[in-house]
Amino acid sequence: DSGVTQTPKHLITATGQRVTLRCSPRSGDLSVYWYQQSLDQGLQFLIQYYNGEERAKGNILERFSAQQFPDLHSELNLSSLELGDSALYFCASSVAVTGELFFGEGSRLTVL
Amino acid sequence: AQKVTQAQTEISVVEKEDVTLDCVYETRDTTYYLFWYKQPPSGELVFLIRRNSFDEQNEISGRYSWNFQKSTSSFNFTITASQVVDSAVYFCALSEADQGAQKLVFGQGTRLTINP
Repeated sequence: DSGVTQTPKHLITATGQRVTLRCSPRSGDLSVYWYQQSLDQGLQFLIQYYNGEERAKGNILERFSAQQFPDLHSELNLSSLELGDSALYFCASSVAVTGELFFGEGSRLTVL
Repeated sequence: AQKVTQAQTEISVVEKEDVTLDCVYETRDTTYYLFWYKQPPSGELVFLIRRNSFDEQNEISGRYSWNFQKSTSSFNFTITASQVVDSAVYFCALSEADQGAQKLVFGQGTRLTINP
């Protein structure tokens, strides 16, 4: 158990819908990261927050947004969902801006 | 641009054999970090190791060992006396040093199957 908690574990929805994925980092970790794992793209970095501030952005679509709240949990919002958004979404956390990343178990999103 | 190549898509060995997973990386930075993660069938990503570019010492942790060679831009992972529980997908990843942020670039992964 990495200490990073993600909910929900599984989510099935329809095209055009909006979903929110939630992440609670390890106790004491200030940095939160979101990654997407799909069969065709592999593991892709989406975005990083540190203590509430956005620090780095990867190939995150404009339809996706994220934030980190004062209690350090983070949410990834995915809107206008398309079939291609079906993937495993991982959250990770680290103590500092850099360092070892510990991943949650992921949220598996299926868009039908 | 950063790139990580894991040329071995799948490896299958018999239990107790030693197996080496290859990882080759590309970066323009002189300071960077290399990682290995394990993804068992259950799906989570398990952290195995993080190594900075200035530390070329090989590392051993139980049956796991890592060989970092800057001259060949490689960071290979060896499992000695493999066990069925080692069956998983293994990912190598690279992060360039940036005090303000950290973005990991992952390889495509190597699926390792240990047969009894």
